[in-house]
Amino acid sequence: RKEVEQDPGPFNVPEGATVAFNCTYSNSASQSFFWYRQDCRKEPKLLMSVYSSGNEDGRFTAQLNRASQYISLLIRDSKLSDSATYLCVVRADSWGKLQFGAGTQVVVTP
Amino acid sequence: NAGVTQTPKFRVLKTGQSMTLLCAQDMNHEYMYWYRQDPGMGLRLIHYSVGEGTTAKGEVPDGYNVSRLKKQNFLLGLESAAPSQTSVYFCASSSSGTSLPGELFFGEGSRLTVL
Repeated sequence: RKEVEQDPGPFNVPEGATVAFNCTYSNSASQSFFWYRQDCRKEPKLLMSVYSSGNEDGRFTAQLNRASQYISLLIRDSKLSDSATYLCVVRADSWGKLQFGAGTQVVVTP
Repeated sequence: NAGVTQTPKFRVLKTGQSMTLLCAQDMNHEYMYWYRQDPGMGLRLIHYSVGEGTTAKGEVPDGYNVSRLKKQNFLLGLESAAPSQTSVYFCASSSSGTSLPGELFFGEGSRLTVL
């Protein structure tokens, strides 16, 4: 079983619509959670951290559910530029080693 | 502001050949990492370094060696390339481990094909 699992998608989203997707993690001792964004054939870049109480960054909302061991990302008012693969990242130990999910592809269409 | 720079960007090798990937960062980061990314799989950690002169094994270290002789550079070597090492390799750096905010800074990637 993978330590971090994501629906690979693609999630095809009309421009202006809302899309949400989850990521599950297996290690209940996981401490920190993040969403990274990766454009096609580019390097990953940090999108946002995920806090226990949930947090927003503009059109992006991240939630953490420790009881069910998943995190979620919601994108409102989708833009064409939101088309990318979103990587779920979990930090399981104190020194900072990160576990990456394989990513969820989002395609925003006109 | 270059950030993290990887060279070469592309390389084709024959089975058994050796090569070195170079990663350089100009952010004075202590931590550096080498990952590989394969279709359908998350980034997997090959080796990492927590400071100049130190290296440690990650999740998939077999077939690779690394060196961190200078703080700004982290080299990844393949002594005898195998087709299973065909992948995209990403170098990353971060400012620290214990107080890590989660932000890794990645290079643009190096696409390696082993025939």
